[in-house]
Amino acid sequence: GAVVSQHPSRVICKSGTSVKIECRSLDFQATTMFWYRQFPKKSLMLMATSNEGSKATYEQGVEKDKFLINHASLTLSTLTVTSAHPEDSSFYICSAEGGFFGPGTRLTVL
Amino acid sequence: EDKVVQSPLSLVVHEGDTVTLNCSYEVTNFRSLLWYKQEKKAPTFLFMLTSSGIEKKSGRLSSILDKKELSSILNITATQTGDSAIYLCAVDEVGSNFGNEKLTFGTGTRLTIIP
Repeated sequence: GAVVSQHPSRVICKSGTSVKIECRSLDFQATTMFWYRQFPKKSLMLMATSNEGSKATYEQGVEKDKFLINHASLTLSTLTVTSAHPEDSSFYICSAEGGFFGPGTRLTVL
Repeated sequence: EDKVVQSPLSLVVHEGDTVTLNCSYEVTNFRSLLWYKQEKKAPTFLFMLTSSGIEKKSGRLSSILDKKELSSILNITATQTGDSAIYLCAVDEVGSNFGNEKLTFGTGTRLTIIP
């Protein structure tokens, strides 16, 4: 079946630094990818929809300048958390159209 | 390779029927199994199961985990048209290195309730 990978699986960084998370569709092309944030009680919040070749569509309340999304190719979308703060610490998950989810990336900001 | 398999892929029933959705898994470091309902945007969290044999219930929905069989079922009784959605099962793992975790989703069951 279709596989979506994320890299890194875990990252710890200092407050104020930027962190890039990659989401790749390994054996298929994805025009659309989605970025989610998982909260402590396991609920998932859709942050943005990443569209290949065009700007991402952000959900209400998500700062587009803080969470930069680039969908550079049909197999790669990246989420960059800029000037990370401890409150950005979370589990970030991507999915590709068709409902194929990546394994998630745990971000811890110190 | 870790995997989560859901069945059936698709299910169409009449309003009022009871449905049972299945999820089986093969993972290395099981921590919990999660059920979500996806309609439009983000999947909505339904249940988290960690212990075998203990049923979780919320209204007409219930779920139970069988760690021996490496599976879980999600039951919906007296279905309504609003239950139409894709139901996702995901298994949460602790990685082999301390702190690395992983969430493996199944491909979902598309449930359609006919009025």
